[in-house]
Amino acid sequence: DQQVKQNSPSLSVQEGRISILNCDYTNSMFDYFLWYKKYPAEGPTFLISISSIKDKNEDGRFTVFLNKSAKHLSLHIVPSQPGDSAVYFCAALMDSNYQLIWGAGTKLIIKP
Amino acid sequence: DADVTQTPRNRITKTGKRIMLECSQTKGHDRMYWYRQDPGLGLQLIYYSFDVKDINKGEISDGYSVSRQAQAKFSLSLESAIPNQTALYFCATSDQVGPQHFGDGTRLSIL
Repeated sequence: DQQVKQNSPSLSVQEGRISILNCDYTNSMFDYFLWYKKYPAEGPTFLISISSIKDKNEDGRFTVFLNKSAKHLSLHIVPSQPGDSAVYFCAALMDSNYQLIWGAGTKLIIKP
Repeated sequence: DADVTQTPRNRITKTGKRIMLECSQTKGHDRMYWYRQDPGLGLQLIYYSFDVKDINKGEISDGYSVSRQAQAKFSLSLESAIPNQTALYFCATSDQVGPQHFGDGTRLSIL
């Protein structure tokens, strides 16, 4: 039973527009959420995170929004650039568990 | 040079063989992790270690063993490989509060 779900396997966005990647979770005990970005033949790299006590965290072009009542988070990238084309993973953590639970990833394609 | 180095990057082997995947890090982190990734799925935790004397099973530890030889080295072994262990394997490191940092992965194929 997947506790972290990324329901869109892929997303195509025009360069310069906003990319919105979504993630849903089922376990209300998660207290920290992270987004990772992965290029082919490389390992995932950390992008941005958010604590469950916040509803928004921003870092440059990247903003993560958390809606705890809906158990939903989203990553906004604006403006989207060609180098943003990658697979994006959402992951969740229970501090008491120390284990990251990962979504299956969304492949983002930025069209020129 | 990479902060987290995995060797080998690719390996093809036969069912029943013993295989060791190695991971070394220069980040000075205490915590190290081994994950596997199957097509269409997220990463699944195999084992994790919070220091040299602390090793813990993850979600999918059956069929795997690990050794933390030093703070900087964490190896994963498949004692008798089977085809459904064909996957992409990642090593990661972290300190107590920061995010995990990953190696570039080992693509393992078991025939």
